[in-house]
Amino acid sequence: GAGVSQSPSNKVTEKGKDVELRCDPISGHTALYWYRQSLGQGLEFLIYFQGNSAPDKSGLPSDRFSAERTGGSVSTLTIQRTQQEDSAVYLCASRPPGGAENTEAFFGQGTRLTVV
Amino acid sequence: KQEVTQIPAALSVPEGENLVLNCSFTDSAIYNLQWFRQDPGKGLTSLLLIQSSQREQTSGRLNASLDKSSGRSTLYIAASQPGDSATYLCAVTQGAQKLVFGQGTRLTINP
Repeated sequence: GAGVSQSPSNKVTEKGKDVELRCDPISGHTALYWYRQSLGQGLEFLIYFQGNSAPDKSGLPSDRFSAERTGGSVSTLTIQRTQQEDSAVYLCASRPPGGAENTEAFFGQGTRLTVV
Repeated sequence: KQEVTQIPAALSVPEGENLVLNCSFTDSAIYNLQWFRQDPGKGLTSLLLIQSSQREQTSGRLNASLDKSSGRSTLYIAASQPGDSATYLCAVTQGAQKLVFGQGTRLTINP
């Protein structure tokens, strides 16, 4: 596709349920990021994948959050036993290979998660 | 720990005015700085990327500058239009290629 694609665009779930959010990065992009944007807040880093390297999970807020990236392409962010404070927009971004200095990050439209 | 600050948090100006948005960061060890635009309920659209070795970048009515040593960047918007109304975010890329974002400036251009 032409851009980063995220699905679903909206998700309403009951407290305690598990959810999976999907990100299809731009073809050929080796770096993939997940961020969270809570209402009225800035973007909070969650996790970063770069090629075949071990992911940087330092931003995951609890062990209920996990993410994987299969075949160096599609990524899934899983939230187990959702809580109301997990309600936010989850944004995915990808970056092409090349030097960190001259490569732009491109973002998807986000998944709006509402936990009721 | 890198901290990115954007001032002002909100700005409202009449159409046609030139304006400047500010971004500051505490750690000058960055690879680049990127300016994004976010419309309500939408994702982020990349506007400009300034590499750490560059001083400015221009795209149409937008001009972004970078003074890495002082930890500052500005986004200049010329001849503002109502369609420029959005939240503008700056982000720095640093070690391990993480992007660290500011809180954003919510811009309103009044017709």
